[in-house]
Parts: sequence; structure tokens; C-alpha cells
Amino acid sequence: DADVTQTPRNRITKTGKRIMLECSQTKGHDRMYWYRQDPGLGLRLIYYSFDVKDINKGEISDGYSVSRQAQAKFSLSLESAIPNQTALYFCATSDTPGLSEQFFGPGTRLTVL
Amino acid sequence: GNSVTQMEGPVTLSEEAFLTINCTYTATGYPSLFWYVQYPGEGLQLLLKATKADDKGSNKGFEATYRKETTSFHLEKGSVQVSDSAVYFCALSNSGAGSYQLTFGKGTKLSVIP
Repeated sequence: DADVTQTPRNRITKTGKRIMLECSQTKGHDRMYWYRQDPGLGLRLIYYSFDVKDINKGEISDGYSVSRQAQAKFSLSLESAIPNQTALYFCATSDTPGLSEQFFGPGTRLTVL
Repeated sequence: GNSVTQMEGPVTLSEEAFLTINCTYTATGYPSLFWYVQYPGEGLQLLLKATKADDKGSNKGFEATYRKETTSFHLEKGSVQVSDSAVYFCALSNSGAGSYQLTFGKGTKLSVIP
């Protein structure tokens, strides 16, 4: 079984809709991250969380919000989706301290029409 | 701030050719350096890492040496295989400046043809 899972794997939605992407992990890691990947831009950090009570904005947090429901779950929400949020979204986890390897989920491909 | 610059792709090589993907970085303090690989339809996975100057990371025939004097971490493999076709990302993590995030390069797509 995968250590980091993401649901859904693919989603098509319309402009203005609210959408939630979910991430679960069985690695027991405290730190979780949300990235988006765009062609030619690499990965950019949206939000990260060091524990359930610690959530921080990343490089491109505008238009997104997150919820850390438990150590194992970290959700990303788009309150009102827009077409330029069409991208591949990855969740990742890491152990403490922060210089350790990050483990990535398989990604969610989101299309906003 | 931190930044990573890697050679643009795509890179197309014949099987058994030598591979170099260049990566340079800008960072304060003493970053750790990583190469991640993304196979088609999958998430990223760590290929190798180096945590201090002159360290050499290696895995699956790939190598990269942390060169502080040239701020580089070039990825090399002596003989590529079709199964190495993927996108490769150079990244750094820097705790010296109080940061802990991974900063990624834009990725280099490698295609290996038989």
C-alpha cells in the first residue's frame, strides 16, 4: 500500500466551484506539504504544516486554504476555482528535522474549465 | 533567497550514452542538495542527496557531487537505459537561514531511445 495517498487522482471542475483535495499518510510524519506543478515551472509550495496546530503559507498560497485534520491528513481547498489553478497537485510528507527527504503522493490532476 | 537553476530540456539520448544534467544553486548558509525523479504518471521520489560540501550522492548508477566552490550539483550517469526516461528535479533545503522548505528547479525531461 502507498504511504502517501491523494484523492481524487483526477478532477474536472468549473470556474467558481469549491473543491477539496485530500492527502493521507501512513508514514507517521509530522510535516506535510502541498505543491503544485506546472509545465516548465517545476514545483511550487502552496502550504505546509509542521503539526496539527502549525500551518504556514508557502510561495503561492493565494486562492488556496488548507486544513490539518490529524497528523495523517492534510487537505487543500480551492474556495472558488479559476482556470489558472489547472495544474498537477502533490502532497508530500517529511520527518523532523526539515532537511530530511520528502515523500510524495501520486498527485491529483485538476482541470478548471 | 534560495533558487535552483537546472539545464532546460528536453534531453534525448541513445541507450548507453553518458548523461549530465547541470544544476547550480543560490542559497545562504549551508543547504542540503537533492535530485528527485518523476517517472511518467507518478509522484516525485528521491534519487540521491548530499548534505555537505564535497559529499557525493549516488543511487541506481546516478551520481552527483556537492561543489560549494561552484555552487553546483550536477547529475551524471555513465550509461543510461530506456527505463531512466523521466523528469529530473534538482532541489535544495536550507536550514541555515531558518528555512526548511524544498526549493526546486524547473525540471529536465530525459528521453532515452533504444
